[in-house]
Amino acid sequence: DAEITQSPRHKITETGRQVTLACHQTWNHNNMFWYRQDLGHGLRLIHYSYGVQDTNKGEVSDGYSVSRSNTEDLPLTLESAASSQTSVYFCASRGSTDTQYFGPGTRLTVL
Amino acid sequence: GENVEQHPSTLSVQEGDSAVIKCTYSDSASNYFPWYKQELGKRPQLIIDIRSNVGEKKDQRIAVTLNKTAKHFSLHITETQPEDSAVYFCAASIPNTDKLIFGTGTRLQVFP
Repeated sequence: DAEITQSPRHKITETGRQVTLACHQTWNHNNMFWYRQDLGHGLRLIHYSYGVQDTNKGEVSDGYSVSRSNTEDLPLTLESAASSQTSVYFCASRGSTDTQYFGPGTRLTVL
Repeated sequence: GENVEQHPSTLSVQEGDSAVIKCTYSDSASNYFPWYKQELGKRPQLIIDIRSNVGEKKDQRIAVTLNKTAKHFSLHITETQPEDSAVYFCAASIPNTDKLIFGTGTRLQVFP
């Protein structure tokens, strides 16, 4: 079955390290999104992509970057991890309908 | 830009009672309003959605109503069950984009 996956599911890192979170979908969706989820803030958009080689900043993009070299993957990179980036990260994809489908999430802890 | 407010932040009901969660949005051009349910430790999953050309939509015990004039929409769960306990998020489409903006969530607890 087509699906959307994220890896790792849990990650502990240290302040200042570079971290990359993977997102992979097999629906052939053009639109992909990265969100962070924090208590009291809901889901906030970090970056998004409408297709290969297209990337755009969301509302909380500082300290994050993405790349889109193929349709299936949208990796999220934290250039220099900070404690404020401790969060749960969700990837989502959207096809021709309006529905966004979420991955299982990655819990990131920055010490 | 678009903003979505969601209330209440927590809601406790007795099993069998109804639950109502309300959201307001700021951009009158928004035309798509999904609701997601997120169980503890799980991913958000779409449970129902509504478009701006419809005033109400039902799916078994779940219904969503939309008031475009007042710019608010609500989720109604009837005959609540313990398995309805979760965090519920509303969202609104950002006009002329494929993006959504989410509310801050409502934690629903259904007591047996």
